[in-house]
Amino acid sequence: DQQVKQNSPSLSVQEGRISILNCDYTNSMFDYFLWYKKYPAEGPTFLISISSIKDKNEDGRFTVFLNKSAKHLSLHIVPSQPGDSAVYFCAASEAGGYQKVTFGTGTKLQVIP
Amino acid sequence: GAGVSQSPSNKVTEKGKDVELRCDPISGHTALYWYRQSLGQGLEFLIYFQGNSAPDKSGLPSDRFSAERTGGSVSTLTIQRTQQEDSAVYLCASSFTLNSPLHFGNGTRLTVT
Repeated sequence: DQQVKQNSPSLSVQEGRISILNCDYTNSMFDYFLWYKKYPAEGPTFLISISSIKDKNEDGRFTVFLNKSAKHLSLHIVPSQPGDSAVYFCAASEAGGYQKVTFGTGTKLQVIP
Repeated sequence: GAGVSQSPSNKVTEKGKDVELRCDPISGHTALYWYRQSLGQGLEFLIYFQGNSAPDKSGLPSDRFSAERTGGSVSTLTIQRTQQEDSAVYLCASSFTLNSPLHFGNGTRLTVT
């Protein structure tokens, strides 16, 4: 039972354009959402997060949007850069803690120069 | 470096042998987590430690898997009588508290032949 779903395994975007990565979840108890970025042969690194009490969180070129009613979140990267090419994991946790973060299967982003 | 360190980075073992994977968390981080990523899958939660205690072992796939943490620092994940389906990248993460973002190591790639 995949509680966090990233239905697009890959995405290609031209440098300078917007990248939009999508994520859906099924567990209504999730109240904290995160995005992690992973380069080959490295562990995932934390990118940005959002609490369920918000619908948007912005950090530089990265913005995460949360639609609780649709159980959907998205990560926007503007403008996209070649260094953004990586696998992006959506993740969620319950009760604001990290005891058991549930990850999606990841979306591989390729930013074309 | 001050990051999460995992060893070995790669391990090839024969089916039926035991393996031990090691994780050195970031100094001062009280929480430690083990995840694994099988080919084409998301990150699968295995176990977490708060100090030396593991309150939730429900993610361990079978009784062949065990983990311990000593001195609130180093953790070892042991897989007994390895099977081919155990082949995966095993990722360790640590966090300052259970309410802090996870910092991942680079993982141990385990191949069971």
